[in-house]
Amino acid sequence: KAGVTQTPRYLIKTRGQQVTLSCSPISGHRSVSWYQQTPGQGLQFLFEYFSETQRNKGNFPGRFSGRQFSNSRSEMNVSTLELGDSALYLCASSLHPSKRTGELFFGEGSRLTVL
Amino acid sequence: AQSVSQHNHHVILSEAASLELGCNYSYGGTVNLFWYVQYPGQHLQLLLKYFSGDPLVKGIKGFEAEFIKSKFSFNLRKPSVQWSDTAEYFCAVPNDYKLSFGAGTTVTVRA
Repeated sequence: KAGVTQTPRYLIKTRGQQVTLSCSPISGHRSVSWYQQTPGQGLQFLFEYFSETQRNKGNFPGRFSGRQFSNSRSEMNVSTLELGDSALYLCASSLHPSKRTGELFFGEGSRLTVL
Repeated sequence: AQSVSQHNHHVILSEAASLELGCNYSYGGTVNLFWYVQYPGQHLQLLLKYFSGDPLVKGIKGFEAEFIKSKFSFNLRKPSVQWSDTAEYFCAVPNDYKLSFGAGTTVTVRA
């Protein structure tokens, strides 16, 4: 069974640009969550989608957005990039919303560097 | 909202030493708790989970955790670590359609 796939794995952008990250969940999983991981802040929740609906959003500015498609694949977008957006962005999938089980299956992440 | 705190930021120990990492959750009631591990260069993965029942939970790779309600704790243990246990360990609790993670503990095992 294929795991969670995130693309691209690495990317470099400059301030002011925008970026779109993609996540393909495990087959059959309908819930997708996004987290930002940095050395200073640890794992910070961005948003969770279940059946194309955003269930929860973390404390991030409106520059961070996401969506989920009917096949459960998800994308997140960051506009007007800032240096502080440099991070590892992790996607996780689960059968049910994480509140129910808490068991998430993570991808390897997309490492974004903003110059 | 539920949260967890991890008190050890970095632990260094030698192979065959015992390991215990602390995790405390914020308030009582029904609580589910998790430990996740991130090996160098690999994805986060579930180590073990507690939903209810036996407070001593066994996970993968010889790890176990004990849920102590009176202490609001869910500490992770391994009796004898190996070099391959070098990783970052995160305690987590479900909270409003998300998992809230602790700050993580980096464990370095010296051969």
